[in-house]
Amino acid sequence: GIQVEQSPPDLILQEGANSTLRCNFSDSVNNLQWFHQNPWGQLINLFYIPSGTKQNGRLSATTVATERYSLLYISSSQTTDSGVYFCAVMEYGNKLVFGAGTILRVKS
Amino acid sequence: ETGVTQTPRHLVMGMTNKKSLKCEQHLGHNAMYWYKQSAKKPLELMFVYNFKEQTENNSVPSRFSPECPNSSHLFLHLHTLQPEDSALYLCASSQARSGLAGRTDTQYFGPGTRLTVL
Repeated sequence: GIQVEQSPPDLILQEGANSTLRCNFSDSVNNLQWFHQNPWGQLINLFYIPSGTKQNGRLSATTVATERYSLLYISSSQTTDSGVYFCAVMEYGNKLVFGAGTILRVKS
Repeated sequence: ETGVTQTPRHLVMGMTNKKSLKCEQHLGHNAMYWYKQSAKKPLELMFVYNFKEQTENNSVPSRFSPECPNSSHLFLHLHTLQPEDSALYLCASSQARSGLAGRTDTQYFGPGTRLTVL
């Protein structure tokens, strides 16, 4: 099956700093999503981005499907950005395969 | 109510108990999913229902039994679980697009049920 790797596994930022999270996948996909899991376990959709670039406030994402990677940019980080960021890709049908996640901690 | 809801939010059960998890989606979607999230492991897909029909069973033990009575409700019936089944169980829904090689839109997740098996 498809493999999804995320890096870095852990990240500590000072409030106000910028960061880039990476997601590599082993095969072509027609669906890629980024999620943020808050400390209470809720998975929140950030982006549906099988290709191209999207922006939503301080967050933006870029997927280069031909090179099999996606990037999530967080600018001017805030403590509320803390949590786990997951990348997930559609293997076939509607089966999402998740990466192991990046644990982000933003310090004030 | 909006989005995807799950009940209960927390559940503690013994290995001989029978319990059920409930998921309800208010988004008009036609596909629903159960995922398991164990400590230090990626989210694992357990079951997929498209138009109320189960289309995916990801080698899940029979002590987990899903039920999808309609496109808005999904249950996970639990019996004779093991302590290693303790995890966060997440439900999701999406709009599956028929006729497009099974492509679907964004999956939306509920808040999860945190299950502890003693």
